[in-house]
Amino acid sequence: QVRLQESGPGLVKPSETLSLTCTVSGGSISTFYWSWIRQPPGKGLEWIGYVYYTGSTKYNPSLKSRVTMSLETSKNEFSLDVTSVTAADTAVYYCARDCCGGADAFDIWGQGTMVTVSS
Amino acid sequence: QSVLTQPPSASGTPGQRVTISCSGSSSNIGRNTVSWYQQYPGTAPKFLIYNNDQRPSGVPDRFSGSKSGTSASLAISGLQSEDDADYYCAAWDDSLTGPVFGGGTKLTVL
Repeated sequence: QVRLQESGPGLVKPSETLSLTCTVSGGSISTFYWSWIRQPPGKGLEWIGYVYYTGSTKYNPSLKSRVTMSLETSKNEFSLDVTSVTAADTAVYYCARDCCGGADAFDIWGQGTMVTVSS
Repeated sequence: QSVLTQPPSASGTPGQRVTISCSGSSSNIGRNTVSWYQQYPGTAPKFLIYNNDQRPSGVPDRFSGSKSGTSASLAISGLQSEDDADYYCAAWDDSLTGPVFGGGTKLTVL
């Protein structure tokens, strides 16, 4: 059974970089699209971007200038960096797997990690 | 403001059938498939429906999805107390070149 687990700091200072890692267990990262999705407190879901198993990436245009995703196949994990964070980046961050080849249907999710941007 | 529009709330009594709508445009629902998710407070979303009307293994057949034009719907029949949750729709958007979500619907089982 494939499981995803996010890890990273829960508190990040304004203007600094938010860095998270998603570890994939029970299956290989070397297929599928792997996405990051976030949810501000009390609000809805926002897709941040995906990294394909080949290493190619696509980001939400609203965040594109600040986001970098990468894949580490030897560790079966992928990562997210968001630079120049502000309070608006405070959210629960989820990593998720696309089920069906189009990066638009997410069948497996991590439990989520809360990231607060505050000094 | 979300690209896909959902009613903020819906309600029903046990045993009833409820429907949650998701309205989009020609750049998303009109051209691409829709998925649905269920989320309890403090937990990750759960995969409910994909390809408009397909249920993943383990999802009860009380849940069904449909799509017509630029709108989609999630129907829950035989409503149960455990269905009290938030529901989100999603679809690929050709303009964004990425998936977009609805704002979510809070379903209350009375």
